[in-house]
Amino acid sequence: DAKTTQPPSMDCAEGRAANLPCNHSTISGNEYVYWYRQIHSQGPQYIIHGLKNNETNEMASLIITEDRKSSTLILPHATLRDTAVYYCIVRDGGSNYKLTFGKGTLLTVNP
Amino acid sequence: GAVVSQHPSRVICKSGTSVKIECRSLDFQATTMFWYRQFPKQSLMLMATSNEGSKATYEQGVEKDKFLINHASLTLSTLTVTSAHPEDSSFYICSATAGGQGGHEQFFGPGTRLTVL
Repeated sequence: DAKTTQPPSMDCAEGRAANLPCNHSTISGNEYVYWYRQIHSQGPQYIIHGLKNNETNEMASLIITEDRKSSTLILPHATLRDTAVYYCIVRDGGSNYKLTFGKGTLLTVNP
Repeated sequence: GAVVSQHPSRVICKSGTSVKIECRSLDFQATTMFWYRQFPKQSLMLMATSNEGSKATYEQGVEKDKFLINHASLTLSTLTVTSAHPEDSSFYICSATAGGQGGHEQFFGPGTRLTVL
């Protein structure tokens, strides 16, 4: 699976949009981009995933560049409860469902 | 999203004892379940992958005789830490996926904090 690069930490003001970048320049054509987050001392939570097109759900939006070498997770109105480590993971679309977690981005939402 | 539970949430045991952790998918059938370990301030590390009715596949460096995994049904997998030692103290997390037409997302349990004295 392709490697991803994320900033180690980011800050965001409560109520503002949080934009979390991820670089995956070696992504191949059949690999999806997944985002998970982990609030302290809890199991990771699935947020969103995409292949080529931008995706949106009730939690977030995922913007994937046209060359698919990078993506941005957008939390439109961050709350204090969104403080967590956010993981960007690239995984192939086949039957190997393994996820390889990197170090992620610690997002701190400030009041 | 789908719900995965783990039991117990926290366990403290003496060195040399064995500890069993259960992972259940509550509202879907999980073709594949995964076990992760997470040490403080570190990321999750995959220990093994298990498919219902077959032997688990362990990641390199994970002792299969120490970390026994049983995936007897489509909703239950267990991890037994045998002869636990203080260095096995960690946060153990399972995940499950329905796979195939059921989707590729992994849904994670809340984790089990193991402390070995």
